[in-house]
Amino acid sequence: GDQVEQSPSALSLHEGTDSALRCNFTTTMRSVQWFRQNSRGSLISLFYLASGTKENGRLKSAFDSKERRYSTLHIRDAQLEDSGTYFCAAEAYYGNEKITFGAGTKLTIKP
Amino acid sequence: GGIITQTPKFLIGQEGQKLTLKCQQNFNHDTMYWYRQDSGKGLRLIYYSITENDLQKGDLSEGYDASREKKSSFSLTVTSAQKNEMAVFLCASSMGTYNERLFFGHGTKLSVL
Repeated sequence: GDQVEQSPSALSLHEGTDSALRCNFTTTMRSVQWFRQNSRGSLISLFYLASGTKENGRLKSAFDSKERRYSTLHIRDAQLEDSGTYFCAAEAYYGNEKITFGAGTKLTIKP
Repeated sequence: GGIITQTPKFLIGQEGQKLTLKCQQNFNHDTMYWYRQDSGKGLRLIYYSITENDLQKGDLSEGYDASREKKSSFSLTVTSAQKNEMAVFLCASSMGTYNERLFFGHGTKLSVL
């Protein structure tokens, strides 16, 4: 079954607001990555986490270090250029080397 | 830095046709991947390769072949294109296989008439 569940599937926000995207994992994960896909289809790597938190400007991501079964991406003071589809991708702690993607969160930032 | 180049950017095929997509990376990464993305959906793994001449099946390998001719290149073949099929194929690479960050190419958009 699906190992990576993303929520929400879509989100519409006004500029300047804050948001949180989440990925739940049905099994313990070794690492998680977050990507943004723009309107042209390019996937841009935002964060790679094996544990803990990372921050880059208005973006901050966390990976539950204890249970290793969820990750969050926080966007502070949303801007129009933050619009896009956000994907998380996780590597299972046990088993083969496959990285499994979530179905994505489509984020729309309105003026 | 490095870059992943996918060719062609757009591919139009006929039903039943055999189609080949190519991917080159200059990161000197060991592992390369092919993913398929259908409209509005996430990415599904077709094949990956952890070193030259290695091939590992993903969840969606049926209907595809792949070849890791050398460390820097990984090609994907659609063995028989399906009518009205439309998807984006994304190539990625990572330094190793565990705990490694993925880097993506810009994709090949396939349309089958």
